[in-house]
Amino acid sequence: DVKVTQSSRYLVKRTGEKVFLECVQDMDHENMFWYRQDPGLGLRLIYFSYDVKMKEKGDIPEGYSVSREKKERFSLILESASTNQTSMYLCASSRGQGLWEKLFFGSGTQLSVL
Amino acid sequence: GESVGLHLPTLSVQEGDNSIINCAYSNSASDYFIWYKQESGKGPQFIIDIRSNMDKRQGQRVTVLLNKTVKHLSLQIAATQPGDSAVYFCAETYNTDKLIFGTGTRLQVFP
Repeated sequence: DVKVTQSSRYLVKRTGEKVFLECVQDMDHENMFWYRQDPGLGLRLIYFSYDVKMKEKGDIPEGYSVSREKKERFSLILESASTNQTSMYLCASSRGQGLWEKLFFGSGTQLSVL
Repeated sequence: GESVGLHLPTLSVQEGDNSIINCAYSNSASDYFIWYKQESGKGPQFIIDIRSNMDKRQGQRVTVLLNKTVKHLSLQIAATQPGDSAVYFCAETYNTDKLIFGTGTRLQVFP
């Protein structure tokens, strides 16, 4: 089974801090994704990557950046955390053929920005 | 666990009954659809998918029906079990454009 592992289950940070959310997948998937999930808003795409060192903006990239230095690892960076970035963050991956097909998700990181 | 949606539509069914979860999708040109299940405290889990050239697809205890005429997708769960309690999301995509997720339906199974 594909395993997508997010480094932290819960994080509490202060406004203005730089925050790193890490995600690792173990199935050699080409594609990786970062979503945030908020009550009433569903899943919203922040960034995705279809190859090492490649990245594409999703629907809500403002205030975020990403890094994909290795195929198995995709990091989400909050340059200066703000309270409106309090959310559940979900990482996902999929195989190369069919970018949006059968995404495998991690368990999520619940980030609270105080 | 965390709540994925405070005001989600909720379907309550008795254990052993069949469940039908509905989804209205937005783009008549969408050509690929997926159902995900999200249990409390976990990430979404793929259940079943269907392409627009099909009307029906069956998996283990689950069936997805696609009605393109009215842009409607449904997930049927046979003999619903307590472990089926979760939030269910449909998602659509067109021509490999980004996935669009619905806001979800909460399924509650009572004994």
